[in-house]
Order: sequence, then C-alpha cells, then structure tokens
Amino acid sequence: KQEVTQIPAALSVPEGENLVLNCSFTDSAIYNLQWFRQDPGKGLTSLLLIQSSQREQTSGRLNASLDKSSGRSTLYIAASQPGDSATYLCAVRRRGGTSYDKVIFGPGTSLSVIP
Amino acid sequence: EAGVTQFPSHSVIEKGQTVTLRCDPISGHDNLYWYRRVMGKEIKFLLHFVKESKQDESGMPNNRFLAERTGGTYSTLKVQPAELEDSGVYFCASSQEEGNTIYFGEGSWLTVV
Repeated sequence: KQEVTQIPAALSVPEGENLVLNCSFTDSAIYNLQWFRQDPGKGLTSLLLIQSSQREQTSGRLNASLDKSSGRSTLYIAASQPGDSATYLCAVRRRGGTSYDKVIFGPGTSLSVIP
Repeated sequence: EAGVTQFPSHSVIEKGQTVTLRCDPISGHDNLYWYRRVMGKEIKFLLHFVKESKQDESGMPNNRFLAERTGGTYSTLKVQPAELEDSGVYFCASSQEEGNTIYFGEGSWLTVV
C-alpha cells in the first residue's frame, strides 16, 4: 500500500531564504509525482509534474527532484516571497492495478514566509 | 480556457438532508476524478470516470454517495442522507489522458450540522 509523508509539517522562514520541502513514498512503482500548492479556502494549483523517468523539473523559482529508488522527492523554492505562503502537497500517481489514476496525497507542508 | 469548475462552492446542510455537488471538467478532458478532504485528514481519492464510465470507484466511502457522469461531460456527486462526518472539501479534477497533469477545481466546501 502506497503511503506518502511530508516533512516538515510546517515551516516558517524569513523572506528571501531558499528552502526545501520533502516528500517520501513507500512504493517506488509510481507513474509520476506532482507537487501542488493550496491557498487557504482555495483549490489545488499544480506546480510541477515529474514523470517516473525524469529526475527533476524546474519552473521559475521552483525545482522539484525525484529519486524513485529511494522513494523521495524534494521541492526547492529559491528566494522565498510572502506570496509563497501556502500548503504544499506532494501527490504520487501509482502504476499498475486497476487504474493509473489513483493519486495518493501526502498530508502537506504548511509554509509561512515572513516579510 | 476555463478550468475545472465546481458548484456550489460552499454548502451548509442539516444531517439527514441531501446535497448534490456538480463538477464541470476542462473541455475535452475524458478523465474526471472526485477527491475529498475531511477535517484533519489527507486528501483521499473517491472515484475516477473515463468519459461516462466509472473506471475506479474504490474510494467511495459507502452507499450514501452516488456519482454520475451522464453523457461524459459534467459529473454530480450526491450525498444522501448526509452525516456529520461527511463535512469537508470535495475536489473535482480532470485530465486529458491517463498520465497527464491533473487539474483541480476550487473545491466544494460541505458542512453538515
């Protein structure tokens, strides 16, 4: 059974700092991994999608890496801004079984960037 | 291009009543998913449609929940009768093909009192 964990559960940093959010999953037989952000009272915004054959993806100040063999992914945020404050969710899409599309979410990391 | 839209955005109902949530996926997306997040818990998969067919409904909690996608366009999720533990956020998502990026709606926030 796939389980996804995220460390830390909450993080508070001063504006301008670089930071790393961690995601771990127990079953390496994944199809892809997706990072989302959720603002309070809002839906999920997709940030980066990494296919199982890829090692990393970059978008602006965000960089996500994937090490499938060790069951880990990191989301690196450079030069953090107050607008980055949100909950960041890691989601793993499994491979095999009845459907590729059962996505398993981690509990999220709540990020607060202090001006 | 319009994103995934959900209605209502917020709903407060009494225990025992019925609520129907609606999701309009991105146009052209055959795959439609329902997820929910109840208080203090992680986001959990409910079910997956491919066009009008239920591909995987293993996450549906019990028979008080009924999802439909007639015609393969929008989908509805009905909760009847609603219980207190059904309170939470119900997310709908869609993707064009299996394996592609999944796009989520803003969620329908349900409170059962």
